[in-house]
Amino acid sequence: DGGITQSPKYLFRKEGQNVTLSCEQNLNHDAMYWYRQDPGQGLRLIYYSQIVNDFQKGDIAEGYSVSREKKESFPLTVTSAQKNPTAFYLCASSLVASNYGYTFGSGTRLTVV
Amino acid sequence: DQQVKQNSPSLSVQEGRISILNCDYTNSMFDYFLWYKKYPAEGPTFLISISSIKDKNEDGRFTVFLNKSAKHLSLHIVPSQPGDSAVYFCAATPRRYGGSQGNLIFGKGTKLSVKP
Repeated sequence: DGGITQSPKYLFRKEGQNVTLSCEQNLNHDAMYWYRQDPGQGLRLIYYSQIVNDFQKGDIAEGYSVSREKKESFPLTVTSAQKNPTAFYLCASSLVASNYGYTFGSGTRLTVV
Repeated sequence: DQQVKQNSPSLSVQEGRISILNCDYTNSMFDYFLWYKKYPAEGPTFLISISSIKDKNEDGRFTVFLNKSAKHLSLHIVPSQPGDSAVYFCAATPRRYGGSQGNLIFGKGTKLSVKP
């Protein structure tokens, strides 16, 4: 079955540590996205990539980094520079020229302890 | 500045009645609109969409209405069922040059509770 997989589902991190969230898709989608969800804040775009080896900052990119070495994979690193990293992180993918919006993964809950 | 606004953070409806979720937008370049449904600790799933060339799109119990002059869209669910209880996100996108889809801009969501 085609889909988008985020791992792990739950992640705990100590303050000052970097952590990487995995996102893999086998939908042959060109574009991939990372969103952050906080209560009352909706979905805010962190980074997106429309082609391999290229990515763009979203609205809240500070403290995050990404890479897009393969079409299928778009890992997100939450660095120690991110001041408030505890949140629910969502990865999505889409065909660039599509009327069907995004396909989302099931999310990763990151908690800083 | 929010480009997509869902001004009601929550809505409670009795089972069998109609649920109406509202969404307003400010960017006149938006021409494609989508609704997503999200359960707790899961990713959003696509529900229904509408292009700006239409004013209504229907899919089973779900209908989306678009009023371009008012920059307003609404999602109607009828009849509402307890399984519809979730957070609903409105999203919009402008068409980029060449017709490809731009990035989706999401509202903050409305939490719908359907009571038996």
